Amino acid sequence: EAQVTQNPRYLITVTGKKLTVTCSQNMNHEYMSWYRQDPGLGLRQIYYSMNVEVTDKGDVPEGYKVSRKEKRNFPLILESPSPNQTSLYFCASSFEGASTDTQYFGPGTRLTVL
Amino acid sequence: ELKVEQNPLFLSMQEGKNYTIYCNYSTTSDRLYWYRQDPGKSLESLFVLLSNGAVKQEGRLMASLDTKARLSTLHITAAVHDLSATYFCAVDTAGGGADGLTFGKGTHLIIQP
Repeated sequence: EAQVTQNPRYLITVTGKKLTVTCSQNMNHEYMSWYRQDPGLGLRQIYYSMNVEVTDKGDVPEGYKVSRKEKRNFPLILESPSPNQTSLYFCASSFEGASTDTQYFGPGTRLTVL
Repeated sequence: ELKVEQNPLFLSMQEGKNYTIYCNYSTTSDRLYWYRQDPGKSLESLFVLLSNGAVKQEGRLMASLDTKARLSTLHITAAVHDLSATYFCAVDTAGGGADGLTFGKGTHLIIQP
């Protein structure tokens, strides 16, 4: 089954404790991206990747890191999480790019930073 | 900076009625996307509109795009309870320096029996 998976689905952590949210897709998509969703703000892009070893900032990259060592994986890293990073996070992927192809979204990761 | 505005943000309607959700955006773009999100769930792609005048229909939903007016509409015909969800439009950020979508804030739609 074609899908985008994220882990964990739910996470409660404390300020400053490094964490990684994994994202994996099995559709051989070149493009992957991370969004955060906050009430009243819709979805905002954090980082995106056009292919292996090619990543770039989205609209709200501060406090986040990403890597793309393999085509299928695009982990989101929070080196020192803060309460303002409490949010619902979505990973997405597509064949070519966000503006040329439909993006497929993962199930979401709900993160709470205390 | 690309801005995407949806109207209304909240909509409660009765089954059987028709209604339209509007999506305005601030800069030139030829590509617009509609997504559906159920409570606690991920986003599901509904429509991809890739040119001026594009119209797509799926069941009781029909989406259209007017790039000259920078406007897309999502029309609901004879609404049923199963269409209750939050609907997002999104516009590509081509020319903005980043490859991604700018989303509207979403329209929370409740359809009552």
